[in-house]
Amino acid sequence: GAVVSQHPSWVICKSGTSVKIECRSLDFQATTMFWYRQFPKQSLMLMATSNEGSKATYEQGVEKDKFLINHASLTLSTLTVTSAHPEDSSFYICSAVLAGGAYEQYFGPGTRLTVT
Amino acid sequence: AQKVTQAQTEISVVEKEDVTLDCVYETRDTTYYLFWYKQPPSGELVFLIRRNSFDEQNEISGRYSWNFQKSTSSFNFTITASQVVDSAVYFCALTKRGYQKVTFGTGTKLQVIP
Repeated sequence: GAVVSQHPSWVICKSGTSVKIECRSLDFQATTMFWYRQFPKQSLMLMATSNEGSKATYEQGVEKDKFLINHASLTLSTLTVTSAHPEDSSFYICSAVLAGGAYEQYFGPGTRLTVT
Repeated sequence: AQKVTQAQTEISVVEKEDVTLDCVYETRDTTYYLFWYKQPPSGELVFLIRRNSFDEQNEISGRYSWNFQKSTSSFNFTITASQVVDSAVYFCALTKRGYQKVTFGTGTKLQVIP
């Protein structure tokens, strides 16, 4: 149980275009999902907290207009990287917290974004 | 503020050796949770264990064991008889009760050499 999927697993896009990444909790409901960014050989950097039915909460330094987050249902959150640039190339990971669970986060497999 | 320190950046061991990954944390909260996650080369993070601050019992799960000591603010992870499949980056993490945002350590890369 507690499976989280991400789609796509990898994507290559041209500079200036937008890319949408989906995060789904497959067998449980998640009122809260998190979006992380991970640079090579580094730890996870929390970008934002996504709450179902409300606006996302962004961490300091993360541009909310560039990284659009929508948590449309209890099982789906999306991250849209708008007007992508090469510096946005990274590994993006989402996680979901089991509603009523004990705070462990279940992570998706990640999406590798390359902007050319 | 919360902080998690994993001083070991990279560790290499020969297969079948035991290895301990260190984790030291800082928090002002009296109730908190500690976690270990494994990130294999594929990139997906795998949840290994959760420990709450009131439970200092050591835990063993197969070849894995965890030593939680509040007196030294440490939550160390030992792999016994390491295997090549244990090669991964391991993250220690911390969150306070009732608060879902997690603070991650910088990770320890473990390489098990056959």
